[in-house]
Amino acid sequence: EAGVAQSPRYKIIEKRQSVAFWCNPISGHATLYWYQQILGQGPKLLIQFQNNGVVDDSQLPKDRFSAERLKGVDSTLKIQPAKLEDSAVYLCASSTDSPNQPQHFGDGTRLSIL
Amino acid sequence: AQSVTQLGSHVSVSEGALVLLRCNYSSSVPPYLFWYVQYPNQGLQLLLKYTTGATLVKGINGFEAEFKKSETSFHLTKPSAHMSDAAEYFCAVRGDKFYFGSGTKLNVKP
Repeated sequence: EAGVAQSPRYKIIEKRQSVAFWCNPISGHATLYWYQQILGQGPKLLIQFQNNGVVDDSQLPKDRFSAERLKGVDSTLKIQPAKLEDSAVYLCASSTDSPNQPQHFGDGTRLSIL
Repeated sequence: AQSVTQLGSHVSVSEGALVLLRCNYSSSVPPYLFWYVQYPNQGLQLLLKYTTGATLVKGINGFEAEFKKSETSFHLTKPSAHMSDAAEYFCAVRGDKFYFGSGTKLNVKP
């Protein structure tokens, strides 16, 4: 089966600019996650979707970050305006609804803020 | 709420030596436990998982982990390290949602 697809792989922008990331989950996976992984740390959940509804966005900085999952499939994560501390890898993952099933991760987007 | 603690942010072993990466969790419900590996510039890849049944779980690349409920542990082991095992390893628990540990970076010396 095809894995989780993310693009772009790398992005370099200047602070205060905007940026968007795209994720296509594994077919049939109802749940989609966006994580932020700062160098040397574990993944931090930003937002979790169940189909096209938000389940958890408690750690999403809503003043600058937004995410959507139209039609319950693809998702985009946007940062506007970017700050230096947003430099990180942004990982997308998907899973089925079954609690005993793991998440499957994409390769991530490495964002560098100048 | 659940949480995951990985003891040792860096572990260094010689090639051929035993690998032991420690993970302890807290969970108010029977947990589903996972180990992931992350190679540079890649996402997280599932190594193995424990859901129910046998407490010793075998995964890919010769890794295994043992669920010990009395110790709330799920340590990852491999009898003989290989250079290609050098990576970062994350323990995770799924309860109401996924919780990840902070990771252990494994270095393998020739």
